[in-house]
Amino acid sequence: KAGVTQTPRYLIKTRGQQVTLSCSPISGHRSVSWYQQTPGQGLQFLFEYFSETQRNKGNFPGRFSGRQFSNSRSEMNVSTLELGDSALYLCASSLSVTYNEQFFGPGTRLTVL
Amino acid sequence: GESVGLHLPTLSVQEGDNSIINCAYSNSASDYFIWYKQESGKGPQFIIDIRSNMDKRQGQRVTVLLNKTVKHLSLQIAATQPGDSAVYFCAENRPNTGNQFYFGTGTSLTVIP
Repeated sequence: KAGVTQTPRYLIKTRGQQVTLSCSPISGHRSVSWYQQTPGQGLQFLFEYFSETQRNKGNFPGRFSGRQFSNSRSEMNVSTLELGDSALYLCASSLSVTYNEQFFGPGTRLTVL
Repeated sequence: GESVGLHLPTLSVQEGDNSIINCAYSNSASDYFIWYKQESGKGPQFIIDIRSNMDKRQGQRVTVLLNKTVKHLSLQIAATQPGDSAVYFCAENRPNTGNQFYFGTGTSLTVIP
């Protein structure tokens, strides 16, 4: 069974631009969560989607948004990029929403110049 | 301001020895926990999970112990191998938060051949 895939793997943007990252969960998984990983803050939860609905949201500004499609694939968008948005963005998928093993993709490395 | 990296606890063990990685979690209401392994340039890899109604769970070469009284988790790796070298994270999940996990700062394990 294929794992979680994320595209692109690497991205370089400049301040003020926007970016869209994509995540395809494990087949059959309906929950997709996004995390930001930085050396300074570690792994921080951004949001979770289940059945195309955002179920939980972490403490990030409104510039960070996401959505989920009917096939469970998810995208996250960051608008008006700032230098501090440089990070590894990780997507994780789970079968359902409670007490479920959560599996991560390889991440998208975003660099903002 | 300047970004300061998280101070990662480190653990060095000889190949073949057992490793014990500790984690103090923050919220007494947390009722589901996962240990992850993250190698350089990769996303976190699921190792083992445990629910709060258990105090021990074993997998292949790994054992997780949960002490709810002192909010402490440990991951024991038997017969540690060079391939076990990585950063290990514990992640906690609280009731009614879906798949929102709170991650510890991680422990860097180095296995000496």
